[in-house]
Amino acid sequence: DAGVIQSPRHEVTEMGQEVTLRCKPISGHNSLFWYRQTMMRGLELLIYFNNNVPIDDSGMPEDRFSAKMPNASFSTLKIQPSEPRDSAVYFCASSKVQGISYEQYFGPGTRLTVT
Amino acid sequence: LAKTTQPISMDSYEGQEVNITCSHNNIATNDYITWYQQFPSQGPRFIIQGYKTKVTNEVASLFIPADRKSSTLSLPRVSLSDTAVYYCLVGPSASKLTFGTGTRLQVTL
Repeated sequence: DAGVIQSPRHEVTEMGQEVTLRCKPISGHNSLFWYRQTMMRGLELLIYFNNNVPIDDSGMPEDRFSAKMPNASFSTLKIQPSEPRDSAVYFCASSKVQGISYEQYFGPGTRLTVT
Repeated sequence: LAKTTQPISMDSYEGQEVNITCSHNNIATNDYITWYQQFPSQGPRFIIQGYKTKVTNEVASLFIPADRKSSTLSLPRVSLSDTAVYYCLVGPSASKLTFGTGTRLQVTL
């Protein structure tokens, strides 16, 4: 299995631009998670999906952030408009079980830089 | 919500056994203890999970005493490639995974 795939691996954009991060979970996994990691705040859960349905988005920082999972093999995290404080590494993870599984498989991350 | 406490950093020489202890005094009955490893510029990697006593896999061992208020991750004969941040998590009583600051392990020759 290829593991969780994320694209792009690096993204540099200017403030105000729209940014879309993509994730392909491991085939057969039922849950998908989006995280953000910064030096100041560590690793934070933004949102997670069970069977393509958003369950908890309480970690999404504000309305500029949105996430979708149109099917079991694809998810996007969109930031519009982007701001310099959104600069971070964004990880996608998936797990077999529904709900908050503590055995999650993380992708390589997308390093986002907003100038 | 079970809060975990672990050392901020540890140093070790290559070939030594490393034990990282995590405290979780208010662990719930249905909680498991899970450890992740994160290398620089990579996502966290699940390494081991246990409920009580001892669990061993090809990467590490996890020791959990009877009261389950702490746990110890044991890495046998570490190498330079084991340099990473190690996170202890307790759940699922927590509503979400909370990674905390982890323990930064530095292995040197």
